[in-house]
Amino acid sequence: SQQGEEDPQALSIQEGENATMNCSYKTSINNLQWYRQNSGRGLVHLILIRSNEREKHSGRLRVTLDTSKKSSSLLITASRAADTASYFCATYSGAGSYQLTFGKGTKLSVIP
Amino acid sequence: SQTIHQWPATLVQPVGSPLSLECTVEGTSNPNLYWYRQAAGRGLQLLFYSVGIGQISSEVPQNLSASRPQDRQFILSSKKLLLSDSGFYLCAWTSQGNTEAFFGQGTRLTVV
Repeated sequence: SQQGEEDPQALSIQEGENATMNCSYKTSINNLQWYRQNSGRGLVHLILIRSNEREKHSGRLRVTLDTSKKSSSLLITASRAADTASYFCATYSGAGSYQLTFGKGTKLSVIP
Repeated sequence: SQTIHQWPATLVQPVGSPLSLECTVEGTSNPNLYWYRQAAGRGLQLLFYSVGIGQISSEVPQNLSASRPQDRQFILSSKKLLLSDSGFYLCAWTSQGNTEAFFGQGTRLTVV
């Protein structure tokens, strides 16, 4: 079953704008991860935030985690055309679980 | 460094034919291994995962099976393909402990 659900399903922005994607999940987690997928390719890991962290940065990426609301957000600042891709959140289905499950993804289009 | 190989990249098979997709990991030992399927424009559906040789957990009852004959080899099989088996199949590995996943480049399977 799907553990994470991203919102929105699709997002179209102009180059230079910021893009925000949200993820909600259902069970308790040790960490939450964000991945990127270019069309027709495998997924690439972007960032991992642990359950005891509230915010994490990596380059132009900023991830927040609110365990009380079981939600996370991914912010991409100063977007570029090369950021066009689908973005997925992923969690393990409960502490000690090996089941790494993904949401349905947000398809981001950055218009030059 | 660790690498993951998945082949073939594309495959067109007739209904009722068998299937064998192979995934191998290099540069690590005792990985957790995963098979996912992705329908067009959709999220990832976890099909099987394995935490050790001969240990397979099935997430979705269906026309597919998986095997792990060696520590770093994961095989997805079917005896008779259905049209509904078409999709993008992704193999992934993680190290122990709820860590990030590394994905292969995927196999585009079309059943005709």
